[in-house]
Amino acid sequence: SQQGEEDPQALSIQEGENATMNCSYKTSINNLQWYRQNSGRGLVHLILIRSNEREKHSGRLRVTLDTSKKSSSLLITASRAADTASYFCATLSNTGKLIFGQGTTLQVKP
Amino acid sequence: GAVVSQHPSRVICKSGTSVKIECRSLDFQATTMFWYRQFPKQSLMLMATSNEGSKATYEQGVEKDKFLINHASLTLSTLTVTSAHPEDSSFYICSASGTDSGNTIYFGEGSWLTVV
Repeated sequence: SQQGEEDPQALSIQEGENATMNCSYKTSINNLQWYRQNSGRGLVHLILIRSNEREKHSGRLRVTLDTSKKSSSLLITASRAADTASYFCATLSNTGKLIFGQGTTLQVKP
Repeated sequence: GAVVSQHPSRVICKSGTSVKIECRSLDFQATTMFWYRQFPKQSLMLMATSNEGSKATYEQGVEKDKFLINHASLTLSTLTVTSAHPEDSSFYICSASGTDSGNTIYFGEGSWLTVV
């Protein structure tokens, strides 16, 4: 089952620009997590934001969470070519399942 | 951080045969393991949740007789794709969590299955 939509599905930017990805979900959550996946590889955990948090930072990453709108955003600042990957949000339900969004494919051009 | 190992990373099998994928938690006890399937350019679809010592809980639409999941120990879960068909070709990823991983969920590197 999929939790919701990610927007945009694909994003292409120049190195140095910021990239913003959005995620919407449907059910009540315990926390929301963002992952990165390079093509054909496993997942890398980026950041976790709890349901009672509104914003969190980690290096060049900034995540927001709006539980009233059931949405989250991931901002990557000063993007680099190495940030090229697919990014997924995932929500942890109260039943302990981690359900993924559709994902955003980010291409950062050097 | 904790490590989850999947094996094999790539496997090719003939139609009609069965193939087993292993998922091991290397430095923590995984009370819960999750199995996902990912088709090219798509997201991860949760297939089933397995808790150590009990039967797996399958998501709607996932055939439990085709995708056999065993979670016999706190460090190992296996997914067996039985009577594989070309449409089963996919990327299979496991994840694991446990109380001594702080309930953080860790992912394996995934296994590419190609059925010819």
